[in-house]
Order: sequence, then structure tokens, then C-alpha cells
Amino acid sequence: SYELTQPPSVSVSPGQTARITCSGDALPKQYAYWYQQKPGQAPVLVIYKDSERPSGIPERFSGSSSGTTVTLTISGVQAEDEADYYCQSADSSGLWVFGGGTKLTVL
Amino acid sequence: QVQLQESGPGLVKPSQTLSLTCTVSGGSISSGGYYWSWIRQHPGKGLEWIGYIYYSGSTYYNPSLKSRVTISVDTSKNQFSLKLSSVTAADTAVYYCARGSFATGGFDYWGQGTLVTVSS
Repeated sequence: SYELTQPPSVSVSPGQTARITCSGDALPKQYAYWYQQKPGQAPVLVIYKDSERPSGIPERFSGSSSGTTVTLTISGVQAEDEADYYCQSADSSGLWVFGGGTKLTVL
Repeated sequence: QVQLQESGPGLVKPSQTLSLTCTVSGGSISSGGYYWSWIRQHPGKGLEWIGYIYYSGSTYYNPSLKSRVTISVDTSKNQFSLKLSSVTAADTAVYYCARGSFATGGFDYWGQGTLVTVSS
């Protein structure tokens, strides 16, 4: 079955830049999406179609794509950004799959 | 503002069928342009897509669950439902309903989630 691979954890200091990667063989042909999930809450879409930001999402959140890897970048990380982040995409048949998630710790 | 709310039993016995309903408010399931999904999260684990349904009734399921899953829609009640048969303890999870948008491609609205425990 198709898998999206994320690092289990990323740590950054406040004000620094956090980069979370997601790798998958189908990513060159399928869009990626990113979700932020805080404890006890439902996920929130923060990036769609690789690099688009929904309304209401701060500009410090951005996304990029290169080959089989997509990256979520959070510039000027704030304490409130501490959360789990999940990438999502589709396999070659168009069925959805989520990455394993990355815990962002703000030191 | 679109809102989704899951409802159903929080405890299901092994081998029985898990049944959940998602009620949509602030928008019509029949309006088109969206697909209505179920996603689950095992305790302390990541997200798992279960499947989705379009308002016309077309369904798409995760192959790993396909043999046990049925998603249906009731446009008159603005609801869609999940049935997962022959459950085991491995099906214990928080179940979310969510709206997927054809325009953005992502899941832009989610319910708060409901914990379903499979135990005798």
C-alpha cells in the first residue's frame, strides 16, 4: 500500500523556521495537503494543493514541492504552533492517504 | 459557517457493527462540489482515511477496510453515515467526519470527533 513518510518529530526555538517534510512516490503527480492538530482537537487544513493557504491561516505557514518530497515551512515559529502536523495526498488510483504525522515542539 | 457533528454509540461490542452519523449544518450536502468523508484516529496515533461519499451516492473506500465499510447519505436529513462491521479492539478510535472540497482538494471542515471503544 502507498505510504507517505514524515519525520516523527521536529524541534525549533521560537522565532526560528520549522521545516517538516513528507515523502511519497506519487507526490510528483498528486497534490499534497497539510493539517495541524492540537491535543484534543480536530485537524485544521493549513496548506492545500502543495502551496496554497486557506483563508485565516497565518502567512508564516507555507508549502513547497520538489520531486517526491513536499515541505511545510513555518517561519517565525510561535509557541501556539506546537502541534502535530500531517501531510495527505493520493495514491496512483486517487485514494487518500495520510502521513504518519510529525510532532512539532517549540523549545 | 459549515458545521459537522458526529453522533452514535461510544461503546460497541466485538463482532458487532459500528454505526455513526454525521449531521451537516450551515450548508447542503446536495449542493455538489464536495465529498463527505470518514476519517479515524487510533489513540495516540495518526489519521486513517476510511472513505467518502458524494451526494449522488458514489462511494470510495480505503482498500484496507473496504470489505467491512459502508458509507451512505441521506440528503433529506443532510446527514451521512458510517457502518463498520465485525469490529475488533483494533477499531477503537476517534472517528471524524469531514468535508472534502473538489476546489481545494483537502478536508476543509471537520467534526469534533467521537471516541468509539470496542469492548465487551
